[in-house]
Amino acid sequence: AQKITQTQPGMFVQEKEAVTLDCTYDTSDQSYGLFWYKQPSSGEMIFLIYQGSYDEQNATEGRYSLNFQKARKSANLVISASQLGDSAMYFCAMREAPYSGAGSYQLTFGKGTKLSVIP
Amino acid sequence: EAQVTQNPRYLITVTGKKLTVTCSQNMNHEYMSWYRQDPGLGLRQIYYSMNVEVTDKGDVPEGYKVSRKEKRNFPLILESPSPNQTSLYFCASSLVGGRVTDTQYFGPGTRLTVL
Repeated sequence: AQKITQTQPGMFVQEKEAVTLDCTYDTSDQSYGLFWYKQPSSGEMIFLIYQGSYDEQNATEGRYSLNFQKARKSANLVISASQLGDSAMYFCAMREAPYSGAGSYQLTFGKGTKLSVIP
Repeated sequence: EAQVTQNPRYLITVTGKKLTVTCSQNMNHEYMSWYRQDPGLGLRQIYYSMNVEVTDKGDVPEGYKVSRKEKRNFPLILESPSPNQTSLYFCASSLVGGRVTDTQYFGPGTRLTVL
């Protein structure tokens, strides 16, 4: 089973409108971190926002907010007032502790959503 | 400016010619990692380092080597590159390795083509 599922391969949004990018995750851990990254066509991977599993409030960073529903295991990214520069791939990722107790603490990424902002 | 830097950003090389991709961070981070990104396969971890002199394999370590002699640097070495190592490579770092809440910050990426 996929650990991170992003069901929207591509989305369009009108400039200045809000858009929600979906992310569901699968873990049996109580402690984990959820992250969203933006990858523009130039290729770099830009950190946007973070939500910890124990955080009671939804994270916000400027125009980005995270709609965290722990019971449903979803962590949707909301971008308000979309701008042309928001056109990019968006990746949801999770960081968990390794099962063996010693290990990678790597990020597991979803397949991404390509967002296109229309003028 | 706090950042992760990688060099080179673009590289075209031939099969078998040893190469090194450098990675450096100025944030005093303990944890550093290398990922490769391929269409349809997403991002996969190659190697990681919890701290100086401590490195270990990720999910796809075959054909790669790393070293961590200093905290700030984590070079990726391809001893004998092959065409299946053509990819977009990212170096990433976070403050502490053993904490799920730590954000990993990525370098700008290195586009490698092996002919």
